[in-house]
Amino acid sequence: KAGVTQTPRYLIKTRGQQVTLSCSPISGHRSVSWYQQTPGQGLQFLFEYFSETQRNKGNFPGRFSGRQFSNSRSEMNVSTLELGDSALYLCASSLTAGVNEQYFGPGTRLTVT
Amino acid sequence: GESVGLHLPTLSVQEGDNSIINCAYSNSASDYFIWYKQESGKGPQFIIDIRSNMDKRQGQRVTVLLNKTVKHLSLQIAATQPGDSAVYFCAERSGAQKLVFGQGTRLTINP
Repeated sequence: KAGVTQTPRYLIKTRGQQVTLSCSPISGHRSVSWYQQTPGQGLQFLFEYFSETQRNKGNFPGRFSGRQFSNSRSEMNVSTLELGDSALYLCASSLTAGVNEQYFGPGTRLTVT
Repeated sequence: GESVGLHLPTLSVQEGDNSIINCAYSNSASDYFIWYKQESGKGPQFIIDIRSNMDKRQGQRVTVLLNKTVKHLSLQIAATQPGDSAVYFCAERSGAQKLVFGQGTRLTINP
């Protein structure tokens, strides 16, 4: 069974631009969570989607948004990029909501210049 | 590879020795705990989990101990191998709330 895939793996953007990251969960998994990982703040929860509905949200500004499609694939969008948004963005999938055994993808490394 | 933390606590052990990685959690209402391993350039990998109604759980070469009285979690790795070199994170969850990760500990193996 294929693991969680994330595209693109690496991305360089300029301040003020927006970016969309994509995540394909493990086949059969219906819950997708997104995390931001930085050296200073560690792993921080962004949001969780289950059955196309946002189920939980972390403490991030409204510039960070996401959605989930009927096939469970998910995208997250960051608008008006800031230098501090440079991070590794990780997606994790699990069978159901409630964040039990999660499986992480390799992440998308976003660099904002 | 990816840098997951410039100032992480570091544990250095000799190959073949047992490793004990500790984690203090913050929420006394947390009822579910997970340990993850993150190697350079990869996403976190699930190692073992434990629910709050247990105080010990064993996996293959790993044991997790939970002490709810002092809100402490530990991961023991038996006969540490070079492939165990990674950053280890504990995470806690309360009910249906989000997963909250600890800062991580970098484990290095000395030959």
